[in-house]
Amino acid sequence: DAGVIQSPRHEVTEMGQEVTLRCKPISGHNSLFWYRQTMMRGLELLIYFNNNVPIDDSGMPEDRFSAKMPNASFSTLKIQPSEPRDSAVYFCASTRRGSGPIYFGEGSWLTVV
Amino acid sequence: QQQVKQSPQSLIVQKGGISIINCAYENTAFDYFPWYQQFPGKGPALLIAIRPDVSEKKEGRFTISFNKSAKQFSLHIMDSQPGDSATYFCAPQAGTALIFGKGTTLSVSS
Repeated sequence: DAGVIQSPRHEVTEMGQEVTLRCKPISGHNSLFWYRQTMMRGLELLIYFNNNVPIDDSGMPEDRFSAKMPNASFSTLKIQPSEPRDSAVYFCASTRRGSGPIYFGEGSWLTVV
Repeated sequence: QQQVKQSPQSLIVQKGGISIINCAYENTAFDYFPWYQQFPGKGPALLIAIRPDVSEKKEGRFTISFNKSAKQFSLHIMDSQPGDSATYFCAPQAGTALIFGKGTTLSVSS
């Protein structure tokens, strides 16, 4: 079975540009998470969805960040405008509802110059 | 409020030695206690997990020990190998709410 699929794998963009990261969760999974990982702050939960509905977006850093899940098989994380401090690895993960393993994608490596 | 405290931050172990990583939590609602393993350039992946109805679970060289009263659980890696060099995260969970520890970077020297 295909795992969580993220794109792009690597993105280098200039400050002020819009960045859109994409995620396809594992089929049949009801919950989807967006995480950001940096050396300084470790793994931070940005937002998670249950059944395509955002449940907790308290980790979204500021209004420049937005996330959508228009259907069960697709989600986007958008940064507009991007800033150098947004440089990080962004992970998407999914799971079935309830306590159990969550499955991460390979991450999108973002560099904002 | 720090709900999950993982230690040590880094660990160097000789090949064949035992690696031990600890995780302390505060939320008594957690009902699933996993450890994730992350290699450079990859996403975290589930390594081993335990439910609170048992005190220990072993899978190959990896063992979780769980102490409900102390609100702690630990990962033991027996006969550590260079291929185990990675970052390990505890991530206690209640439903879809989980908290990741800060991570432990393990280096196994050959």
